[in-house]
Amino acid sequence: AQTVTQSQPEMSVQEAETVTLSCTYDTSESDYYLFWYKQPPSRQMILVIRQEAYKQQNATENRFSVNFQKAAKSFSLKISDSQLGDAAMYFCAYRRDSNYQLIWGAGTKLIIKP
Amino acid sequence: SAVISQKPSRDICQRGTSLTIQCQVDSQVTMMFWYRQQPGQSLTLIATANQGSEATYESGFVIDKFPISRPNLTFSTLTVSNMSPEDSSIYLCSVVRQVEAFFGQGTRLTVV
Repeated sequence: AQTVTQSQPEMSVQEAETVTLSCTYDTSESDYYLFWYKQPPSRQMILVIRQEAYKQQNATENRFSVNFQKAAKSFSLKISDSQLGDAAMYFCAYRRDSNYQLIWGAGTKLIIKP
Repeated sequence: SAVISQKPSRDICQRGTSLTIQCQVDSQVTMMFWYRQQPGQSLTLIATANQGSEATYESGFVIDKFPISRPNLTFSTLTVSNMSPEDSSIYLCSVVRQVEAFFGQGTRLTVV
């Protein structure tokens, strides 16, 4: 069965600095998707970035980028120039190509220090 | 993208009562997903709702406790029945469009 592990329950970073959130997963599939979702106190789950497993190039969305290591089954999220609005729970999620069901990590609470 | 309207956004309910949560999607989708998020925890899938058939429940969730309706391709409801304080959670509906999952705003349920 697929699993997703986020080993950092909480991370804190100074405003304007860079932080990396870790995620590892376990799967025997070759085709799948990986996601980072953000959940601020408003509860709204928002997609931050996604990565298709068949793509070797790491996904980037403005200040957010991933380090996707397929062989190591690692999918970390780097947030550059951290802003106060980045404070939220961050969830890593996995989805098989043939299935819509998402497998979720436990989440990492990101605190931004002004 | 997909826009999902979820109601109510929050409620405080007496134990033993039931609450029905509604989700309306801005366009047709085949499957809708209902999640529970207990305080400080990750999302747990309750069930998958397909239009025209009974919902498929995950292990640990039963239809008598969480009945789901899916009358058409844009709407679904989840009922939390005979509530106890252990049901206090955030409940979220979700759809998948192409690759990405979209979520309603969530319903924060407190059972007293």
